[in-house]
Amino acid sequence: AQSVTQLDSHVSVSEGTPVLLRCNYSSSYSPSLFWYVQHPNKGLQLLLKYTSAATLVKGINGFEAEFKKSETSFHLTKPSAHMSDAAEYFCVVSDTGTASKLTFGTGTRLQVTL
Amino acid sequence: DAGVIQSPRHEVTEMGQEVTLRCKPISGHNSLFWYRQTMMRGLELLIYFNNNVPIDDSGMPEDRFSAKMPNASFSTLKIQPSEPRDSAVYFCASSLRAVFDPGELFFGEGSRLTVL
Repeated sequence: AQSVTQLDSHVSVSEGTPVLLRCNYSSSYSPSLFWYVQHPNKGLQLLLKYTSAATLVKGINGFEAEFKKSETSFHLTKPSAHMSDAAEYFCVVSDTGTASKLTFGTGTRLQVTL
Repeated sequence: DAGVIQSPRHEVTEMGQEVTLRCKPISGHNSLFWYRQTMMRGLELLIYFNNNVPIDDSGMPEDRFSAKMPNASFSTLKIQPSEPRDSAVYFCASSLRAVFDPGELFFGEGSRLTVL
């Protein structure tokens, strides 16, 4: 069985400071892991994905995530937050190799203040 | 390029009425997904089509819900009769391929349903 836990429901950072959104996963097999972002009243958009290649994955808008098997983590980071980063972020796991079996986390709302 | 197009964006209806939500996937994508998002349960997969054929409908809540994909460019999600607990945002997503390839899902902007 697969599952994903987003450790923070809400994160607030100041503009220009680093962002860390935490995600732990559970998977019976070699997982594929994703981060999606949802801006208000919009659909979800893929930020980045890990599919057993390089453990450090770079995504759009300066975000990156590192797959750490020993810690079963896939935390999302960005060196410097921008106001436009304010959104809901979802960590997603799939361990069956099919998109139909994606398991979404409960989401982390990122607030960026001046 | 046009993304996934959903209609209506907002729907307010009364309990017992029929609701039909529509989706046009990205051209060339052969997989289509319907999701429901609520505060209580987050994002739930309702049904998944591959090449217009329903593959997994285990997430459909009950018989009041039905989904069709008559061709590669159109899908509907119908609720009949609707109930207040069906109030949610319904997302349609498409993917270039899904079997053994957890690729990117492209989401529409959603249909916000309110059942009074």
